[in-house]
Amino acid sequence: EVQLVESGGGLVQPGGSLRLSCAASGFTLSSHSMNWVRQAPGKGLEWISYISSSSSSIYYADSVKGRFTISRDNAKNSQYLQMKSLRAEDTAVYYCARDWGVNDGDVYYYYGMDVWGQGTTVTVSS
Amino acid sequence: SYELTQPPSVSVSPGQTARITCSGDALPKQYAYWYQQKPGQAPVLVIYKDSERPSGIPERFSGSSSGTTVTLTISGVQAEDEADYYCQSADSSGIYRVFGGGTKLTVL
Repeated sequence: EVQLVESGGGLVQPGGSLRLSCAASGFTLSSHSMNWVRQAPGKGLEWISYISSSSSSIYYADSVKGRFTISRDNAKNSQYLQMKSLRAEDTAVYYCARDWGVNDGDVYYYYGMDVWGQGTTVTVSS
Repeated sequence: SYELTQPPSVSVSPGQTARITCSGDALPKQYAYWYQQKPGQAPVLVIYKDSERPSGIPERFSGSSSGTTVTLTISGVQAEDEADYYCQSADSSGIYRVFGGGTKLTVL
């Protein structure tokens, strides 16, 4: 079964750090670009970061740029999100999501985020 | 920063057609994707590249595009379609992805 499982969430004080993990099973992570998407309580989805299959391309939303770092370890079939200088507004459920995409030379064809984990909850509060 | 605009809510009776719109300046250049999210669950991709349907998604889900607006249409709405729906696209560079604010579909 194709599956993504997030872990590492919890309660952290403002200004603190946390590292989220996303473990893939049922497919080879190295074949896919990956994302982190979060959802604040009662709010909508917010894309926050993308990493290509080889880690050669990495992008962040302005809301987390300079504070969050995305990475992956294809040998461990896992991706990560290191979060620093956390703020109350970072409180959310954090999802990892697989890109459904195809590389054709220099062109990447994107078809959406087709596999999602169940999310891990991060609460930033004193 | 780039934004996609959706109506907060849409209500329809069972069997009717629901249409959910999503507007954004870059939509003529960038494809749109639609996700369904039920309470306490992760999102599910229901439409990709404006109008394509992934395998396993019922035929009553369809998508269309016209200028700066894309539309998700659910024909013959069923009670199980009650959920939040999010459009997703990218800014004009194609690099930074963005979600719309979401639309709550209520089946009366």
